Amino acid sequence: QLQLQESGPGLVKPSETLSLTCIVSGGSITTTGDYWGWIRQPPGKGLEWLASISHSGTTYYSPSLKSRLTISLVTSKNQVSLKLDSVTAADTAVYYCARDIGSGGAADYWGQGTLVTVSS
Amino acid sequence: QSALTQPASVSGSPGQSITISCSGTSSDVGKYNLVSWYQQHPGKAPKLMIYEVNKRPSGVSNRFSGSKSGNSASLTISGLQTEDEADYYCSSLVDTSSVMFGGGTKLTVL
Repeated sequence: QLQLQESGPGLVKPSETLSLTCIVSGGSITTTGDYWGWIRQPPGKGLEWLASISHSGTTYYSPSLKSRLTISLVTSKNQVSLKLDSVTAADTAVYYCARDIGSGGAADYWGQGTLVTVSS
Repeated sequence: QSALTQPASVSGSPGQSITISCSGTSSDVGKYNLVSWYQQHPGKAPKLMIYEVNKRPSGVSNRFSGSKSGNSASLTISGLQTEDEADYYCSSLVDTSSVMFGGGTKLTVL
């Protein structure tokens, strides 16, 4: 059974870089056809897709956040990494990682999410 | 790039059927048969209910069905049950090779 678990700092200061890790177990992040994505949800608000990466490392980003985002595979650790630069209070959210089955954002496995608060 | 448009709330009684709409454009919903629907209970991660417009993942009840016409997609839940009360989100592939979510719909089972 595939399991995903997000790991993050909990609290980040404005203007700093947010670094998140998705630890994947029960399967390989390099399985052909799989994509890995990050989605966030500000408190009390809706879902926002951030980025995804294919098993071979091809990346896709939200146009509105592309300049601040970097998604990557850490194959040696079977992890997926997300970095968000120059954070502000608007980036406060629960951040989820998910496996995308390659059908335009259809994510069938999700982590439990990690709350990141941006505050000084 | 605006979010896909969903009604803020819908409601129904147990046993009834309800439909949630998801309105997009010719660059997303209208262009690709890659619409997904998610169910999210409070404090939980979203759960995939429908993908590729009308396909159900293994384990999802056949009370859930999806469809699409033009630039709009719909999720229908038949035989409403109290446990169906949740937030529902649609998503679609977008021209820019990104994904867009709808604003979400709160389903209340009366």
